[in-house]
Amino acid sequence: KAGVTQTPRYLIKTRGQQVTLSCSPISGHRSVSWYQQTPGQGLQFLFEYFSETQRNKGNFPGRFSGRQFSNSRSEMNVSTLELGDSALYLCASGTSGSNNEQFFGPGTRLTVL
Amino acid sequence: EDQVTQSPEALRLQEGESSSLNCSYTVSGLRGLFWYRQDPGKGPEFLFTLYSAGEEKEKERLKATLTKKESFLHITAPKPEDSATYLCAVQAHSGNQFYFGTGTSLTVIP
Repeated sequence: KAGVTQTPRYLIKTRGQQVTLSCSPISGHRSVSWYQQTPGQGLQFLFEYFSETQRNKGNFPGRFSGRQFSNSRSEMNVSTLELGDSALYLCASGTSGSNNEQFFGPGTRLTVL
Repeated sequence: EDQVTQSPEALRLQEGESSSLNCSYTVSGLRGLFWYRQDPGKGPEFLFTLYSAGEEKEKERLKATLTKKESFLHITAPKPEDSATYLCAVQAHSGNQFYFGTGTSLTVIP
């Protein structure tokens, strides 16, 4: 079974630009969660989508948004990029069933200059 | 407020020197506690899920245990390839959000 894939793997943007990151979950998984990972803060939860609906949202500004498609693939968008948005963005997929395990992709490394 | 604290932040062990990593948590109704391993530049790799106090799980040199307030990840006779950051996360019954600790960076010296 293929794992979680994220594209692109690396991205360099400048302040003020916007960016879209993509995540394809494991086949059969309907839950997709997004996290921001920085050296100082660790993994911070951004939001979770399940069956195309945002089910949970973390404490991030409205510049961070996401969506999920009918095939469970998800995209995350960050508008008006700031230097502090430089981070590893991780996507995790799960069945959201009784065992509730999450499996992570390799991440997208975003650098904002 | 739900939160997770991991200690120590960093740990250096000689090959074969067993030790334990700690994950203490406060959550309103634990749905599950999860351990992950993360290598530099990669996404976290799932290791274990624990659901109730007293539960234990093992995988090779790793053993995870759970009490009502904390979890331990015991590493027996570690090898250099066990070097990584180990992350702990909890999920409450009240929602689907996972709360992560900041991790323990483990270095095993040959």
